[in-house]
Amino acid sequence: EVQLVESGGGLVQPGGSLRLSCAASGFSFSSYWVNWVRQAPGKGLEWVASIIQDGSEKFYGDSVKGRFTISRDNAKNSLYLEMNSLRAEDTALYYCAVQHCSTCYPYYFDWWGRGTLVTVSS
Amino acid sequence: QSALTQPPSAAGSPGQSVTISCTGTSSDVGGYKYVSWYQQHPGKAPKLMIYDFSKRPSGVPDRFSGSKSGNTASLTVSGLQAEDEADYYCCSYAGSNKLIFGGGTKLTVL
Repeated sequence: EVQLVESGGGLVQPGGSLRLSCAASGFSFSSYWVNWVRQAPGKGLEWVASIIQDGSEKFYGDSVKGRFTISRDNAKNSLYLEMNSLRAEDTALYYCAVQHCSTCYPYYFDWWGRGTLVTVSS
Repeated sequence: QSALTQPPSAAGSPGQSVTISCTGTSSDVGGYKYVSWYQQHPGKAPKLMIYDFSKRPSGVPDRFSGSKSGNTASLTVSGLQAEDEADYYCCSYAGSNKLIFGGGTKLTVL
């Protein structure tokens, strides 16, 4: 059974930093692009970032580029999101998501975690 | 890049059909086949319902169908059932390794 379990969320002050993790199991993690998608409370979905299988290519949404860094550790079947210079508008539930196609660019997402909540507030 | 445009709400009675639109530009919806639709029930993670604008993943009922014309994609739910009541989001590839979502549509089964 595929499982994606996010952790690391919490309350942080504006300008602060936070590191999210996503632990994957039930599939060959190193064979897939993996991604972060977020959802502000009561709002819609927003693609945040994607990382290629070996970590050599990373892509970011415009709203987080330069502040967030996506990374992965295939030996630990884990995905990370380092978030710096956090703003109130970064408050959201952050999902780890994967497209079930090891040879495909991630145009959509079949597998989702349950999310971890990040709240940016003073 | 602005979010794709979806109506905030849609409604239909059990057994009826409802269509939700998703309007973008020639740089996203109109330029690529990579349009997907997600269903999200309250407190749950999104679920993929349609990909490549008209394909259904295994396990998704054939009551759900997708189409695309120009810069607008559409999701049609036929034979509405109570469990179809949820939020629906479209998503499109927008070039330059970016994805863009719609603002979401709340579907109510009357």
